[in-house]
Amino acid sequence: EPEVTQTPSHQVTQMGQEVILRCVPISNHLYFYWYRQILGQKVEFLVSFYNNEISEKSEIFDDQFSVERPDGSNFTLKIRSTKLEDSAMYFCASSDRGTIEFFQPQHFGDGTRLSIL
Amino acid sequence: DQQVKQNSPSLSVQEGRISILNCDYTNSMFDYFLWYKKYPAEGPTFLISISSIKDKNEDGRFTVFLNKSAKHLSLHIVPSQPGDSAVYFCAASELQIQGAQKLVFGQGTRLTINP
Repeated sequence: EPEVTQTPSHQVTQMGQEVILRCVPISNHLYFYWYRQILGQKVEFLVSFYNNEISEKSEIFDDQFSVERPDGSNFTLKIRSTKLEDSAMYFCASSDRGTIEFFQPQHFGDGTRLSIL
Repeated sequence: DQQVKQNSPSLSVQEGRISILNCDYTNSMFDYFLWYKKYPAEGPTFLISISSIKDKNEDGRFTVFLNKSAKHLSLHIVPSQPGDSAVYFCAASELQIQGAQKLVFGQGTRLTINP
């Protein structure tokens, strides 16, 4: 069964450094997402991406965050200048086009654990 | 943000019995409700969904019930098996105009199936 893959599984970075988290969504999917889960808290929506542009972003997704689909397969999340509070598990997800009558769920990768020192 | 709430952080059920996980929501604009299952060190795995216009959806051992008037949904697992031990997340989605979704998650319920 096709799956979403994320690399690396664990990233340790010094505060203030830039970090890029990588994702390979399911190949025929059209919608791409990033979520994060701070330890002990809920999974939170960060951003959705469709047709090479952001569809929606949350309040968390400030100017330090950006997303890109640099080629036909990868989807990346960049944090420009990391802060201690960016330490979390970051999940990538993808979904196919759906409708109210025919819903297409999001499929998640196994996440990248980001640790900011 | 308390739009989706799972009030039970944990649930323990004997193998073979029914597991019932509950979820409440506040936003009446949600179009779809989903249940995801998560094992340690893995991402959430989609289990089952239900449209806001339905009140029941069944898939094998898993059934989701939606009570719109009470803004409540539940996941029933019958019979429960040891492999069902995991954290279960309730999530809700509003479909956007272009078709993208924004999932709002509950806090999760850790289900333990005892042999």
